[in-house]
Amino acid sequence: QQQVRQSSQSLTVWEGETAILNCSYENSAFDYFPWYQQFPGEGPALLIAIRSVSDKKEDGRFTIFFNKREKNLSLHIKDSQPGDSATYFCAAGNNNNAPRFGAGTKLSVKP
Amino acid sequence: DAGVTQTPRHEVAEKGQTIILKCEPVSGHNDLFWYRQTKIQGLELLSYFRSKSLMEDGGAFKDRFKAEMLNSSFSTLKIQPTEPKDSAVYLCASSPGLSYEQYFGPGTRLTVL
Repeated sequence: QQQVRQSSQSLTVWEGETAILNCSYENSAFDYFPWYQQFPGEGPALLIAIRSVSDKKEDGRFTIFFNKREKNLSLHIKDSQPGDSATYFCAAGNNNNAPRFGAGTKLSVKP
Repeated sequence: DAGVTQTPRHEVAEKGQTIILKCEPVSGHNDLFWYRQTKIQGLELLSYFRSKSLMEDGGAFKDRFKAEMLNSSFSTLKIQPTEPKDSAVYLCASSPGLSYEQYFGPGTRLTVL
């Protein structure tokens, strides 16, 4: 079964808006949560990651909000740009198991 | 520094054929992963190696999928026999260790007719 779920297959926002991508997981043993960005024809690349000891991680326009009790997290992309149009994968892992990935959310940013 | 290399980039196979996909991880990385990517399921784990030892084998893929790591700088994924439902992008990734960034190759797009 899917251990990591992303609530939307696709999301469209206007340039300058904040895009919010949601993710939830089942295994409470997961303690590392990376988000990967993938452009067509390329492999995924790490965008930002958070560990379960934190509830927020910020890197420029990208912020992860993490709720350990609810077992969910979200990626906020502030001031979205057309160049942010890509597929975003939420993943979850720990020191014992390979990371598991969600199905991805395809983000389109309209100019 | 060279990233993860995957060959071939595209593969077309007839149903029932045996195909072998290849991967060269980032030099010095201990962990190597194979994932299958489809639009519906996203990335599904096929195999995970640490220092050439198989640590995890994706349960649903055991019967026709076999990954091997003959040395620390080369891995293969064999699919035997192929079926049309195997059509997908196969991604290889390497990492210094679990809970660290995974570096992905560009993938091999497999089409089974």
